[in-house]
Amino acid sequence: DAGVTQSPTHLIKTRGQQVTLRCSPKSGHDTVSWYQQALGQGPQFIFQYYEEEERQRGNFPDRFSGHQFPNYSSELNVNALLLGDSALYLCASSLRSGGTVNEQFFGPGTRLTVL
Amino acid sequence: AQSVAQPEDQVNVAEGNPLTVKCTYSVSGNPYLFWYVQYPNRGLQFLLKYITGDNLVKGSYGFEAEFNKSQTSFHLKKPSALVSDSALYFCAVRDILSGGYNKLIFGAGTRLAVHP
Repeated sequence: DAGVTQSPTHLIKTRGQQVTLRCSPKSGHDTVSWYQQALGQGPQFIFQYYEEEERQRGNFPDRFSGHQFPNYSSELNVNALLLGDSALYLCASSLRSGGTVNEQFFGPGTRLTVL
Repeated sequence: AQSVAQPEDQVNVAEGNPLTVKCTYSVSGNPYLFWYVQYPNRGLQFLLKYITGDNLVKGSYGFEAEFNKSQTSFHLKKPSALVSDSALYFCAVRDILSGGYNKLIFGAGTRLAVHP
């Protein structure tokens, strides 16, 4: 059973460019969340997708956008990159099931470096 | 505002000794609490969660955590540390305002170093 997969592993961009990161959730999961983890910090919630719609959003600007596809996979897009966007971007999947609070399973992350 | 605090940047312990990684939380209502571990160049791995019930929660790799409502704490423990336990540990709380969705608020992390 494949866990959460993310691509690419590493990415180097320059300021002002745009980037797309991809995530495939763990088999059976229907909800995908994205987190940004800056160096030396805990992950910060960006947004969460369920049924192809953004359901929750953290304190991130509109430059950060996403998408969820019918097969539950997801993309994170960041426009007009800033140096401060350099971070590890983590995708997490979970199964939304009524009132049950299910743990999130994380992928290995995409390391984005903005020069 | 809801938050999680991990008061120690680093914890050092000798192999075979018990370990504790501290976490305190601030939420309104009943908290849903989680511990994750992160190894170098890896994503986060789930260790355990507290939703309700027994205050002592058992998780993966011999870890357990004790929920203390009066002290608003959820400390991670292991009776006998291994060198392979050396990693970055994160405590997280589910955002109570996220409704049925599972938005997590993470602490800053504690680096655990287990020495032979």
